[in-house]
Amino acid sequence: DAKTTQPTSMDCAEGRAANLPCNHSTISGNEYVYWYRQIHSQGPQYIIHGLKNNETNEMASLIITEDRKSSTLILPHATLRDTAVYYCIVRVARGTASKLTFGTGTRLQVTL
Amino acid sequence: GAVVSQHPSRVICKSGTSVKIECRSLDFQATTMFWYRQFPKQSLMLMATSNEGSKATYEQGVEKDKFLINHASLTLSTLTVTSAHPEDSSFYICSARDLLAYQETQYFGPGTRLLVL
Repeated sequence: DAKTTQPTSMDCAEGRAANLPCNHSTISGNEYVYWYRQIHSQGPQYIIHGLKNNETNEMASLIITEDRKSSTLILPHATLRDTAVYYCIVRVARGTASKLTFGTGTRLQVTL
Repeated sequence: GAVVSQHPSRVICKSGTSVKIECRSLDFQATTMFWYRQFPKQSLMLMATSNEGSKATYEQGVEKDKFLINHASLTLSTLTVTSAHPEDSSFYICSARDLLAYQETQYFGPGTRLLVL
């Protein structure tokens, strides 16, 4: 699976949009971009994933650049409960090779 | 999203004893489950991939005789830490892949915190 690069930490004011970047310049054509987050002392929570089109769900939006070498996770109105470590992972969608390999992620701190 | 449970949520044991951790997919069947370990202030490290009805596949550096994995049904996988030692103290997290979910989305359990005295 391709490696990803994320900033170590970010701050965001409550109520503002949180934009979390991720670089995945070596991504292959059949690899998807997945985002998970881990709130302290809990298991990771699935947020969203996509291949090349932008995606939106009730939690967040995922913007993938046209060349697919980077993406941005957007939390439109961050709350204190969104404070967590956010992981950007690329993997193939199916098959035994499609393991989720976690990097160091971005620690997002949402403040009042 | 789909629900994955783990039991127990936390356990304390004496050095040399064995500890079993259960992972269940509550509302879907999972032919593949994963076991991760996370030390304080570190990221998740994949330990092994568990396939229903067959032997688990361990990542490099993980002792298969120490971390026994059994995936006897489509909704249950167990991890047994044998002859536990203080260095095995960690946060163990399981994950299950929902084959019927969009692109086989993988869901995680809440984790089990193990402390070996």
